[in-house]
Amino acid sequence: GQQLNQSPQSMFIQEGEDVSMNCTSSSIFNTWLWYKQDPGEGPVLLIALYKAGELTSNGRLTAQFGITRKDSFLNISASIPSDVGIYFCAGRKTSYDKVIFGPGTSLSVIP
Amino acid sequence: NAGVMQNPRHLVRRRGQEARLRCSPMKGHSHVYWYRQLPEEGLKFMVYLQKENIIDESGMPKERFSAEFPKEGPSILRIQQVVRGDSAAYFCASSPGGSGYGYTFGSGTRLTVV
Repeated sequence: GQQLNQSPQSMFIQEGEDVSMNCTSSSIFNTWLWYKQDPGEGPVLLIALYKAGELTSNGRLTAQFGITRKDSFLNISASIPSDVGIYFCAGRKTSYDKVIFGPGTSLSVIP
Repeated sequence: NAGVMQNPRHLVRRRGQEARLRCSPMKGHSHVYWYRQLPEEGLKFMVYLQKENIIDESGMPKERFSAEFPKEGPSILRIQQVVRGDSAAYFCASSPGGSGYGYTFGSGTRLTVV
């Protein structure tokens, strides 16, 4: 069954605003991943986190691996129209385990 | 440096036919993963393969579905006697190893069963 929860399910924001979304799990993960999917395409890896408490940035994106190892968040600063898409968190419980995906957060940016 | 290549991009099959989906991993990647995505949903893990070995098939339906990753050639996901519920996007991903790496995904194959 579904093991990851993402919130919010969808967001509508004005261009230039900051965005925050998060992901929680009932289990401990040792790796957290954030992906973005554009319509008709496969997911693209944005940020990978490997250590509890780790804070990692990729341009305007910042993600953190929660201290409890059961959550992660993704922030996008100064959103632009091309940020539109579905953002998936994903995680794995051990280094050799499969990656499990959350249900996604749909982001819409109003110019 | 080509990414993960999946073909075909779109596949239409009548109920009862067979569907064959192909995935060529990135150069240097020996681990392949298949996921299924229904409309408006996340990606559901199906199977994890290395060359000539199935490592984890816990997400594969027990019947009609099979996967292989031969020593030479692409990985194949095979669906026999397709039904309407098999209609979905099937994504393949690859990684250089099974330990801690994020996956690189292909663009997917959209299967429609009519």
